[in-house]
Amino acid sequence: EAGVVQSPRYKIIEKKQPVAFWCNPISGHNTLYWYRQNLGQGPELLIRYENEEAVDDSQLPKDRFSAERLKGVDSTLKIQPAELGDSAVYLCASSLGSKTGELFFGEGSRLTVL
Amino acid sequence: QKEVEQNSGPLSVPEGAIASLNCTYSDRGSQSFFWYRQYSGKSPELIMSIYSNGDKEDGRFTAQLNKASQYVSLLIRDSQPSDSATYLCAVTTSASKIIFGSGTRLSIRP
Repeated sequence: EAGVVQSPRYKIIEKKQPVAFWCNPISGHNTLYWYRQNLGQGPELLIRYENEEAVDDSQLPKDRFSAERLKGVDSTLKIQPAELGDSAVYLCASSLGSKTGELFFGEGSRLTVL
Repeated sequence: QKEVEQNSGPLSVPEGAIASLNCTYSDRGSQSFFWYRQYSGKSPELIMSIYSNGDKEDGRFTAQLNKASQYVSLLIRDSQPSDSATYLCAVTTSASKIIFGSGTRLSIRP
């Protein structure tokens, strides 16, 4: 069974440029999460989807971040414009339901903003 | 107070010994508790989940939960060099948020 797939693995951009990350969850997993992880820290939740509905986006910086999950499967996280402080690893995870914390993570997308 | 707290380490344990990792959480309504392992440069991987008070064993790993003390721990018996990693404690809060601690870095020395 295929795991969570993310792309790109690495992205280097200059500040003020836009960037987008894509995630394909495990088949059948209704719940999808985007986390951000800074070096030496644990993952920080940005947004959680139940199917196509964003049920928790309280930690998403809405002035520059946006996300969508069309048709309740793939998801895209966008940053526009990027700032230096956005440099981090962006992790996508999926699970069978929001009641479980048994998350399956993708390999992550490492963003460097110069 | 952080929602999930862990000692950042590093925790250095000799090979073959027991490694003990600890975690405390602030939300008394939390119901589900997890330990993830994260190797350097890799993404977190679930290794244990525990939902009720007491111990849960899986191979060399034992998770312990004490809801009254809001405390979760992970014991690794017969520690191996391959156990060297960062261990993340995660908690599902009463609001169904999954919150991670900052992780404890474990180093197994030969």
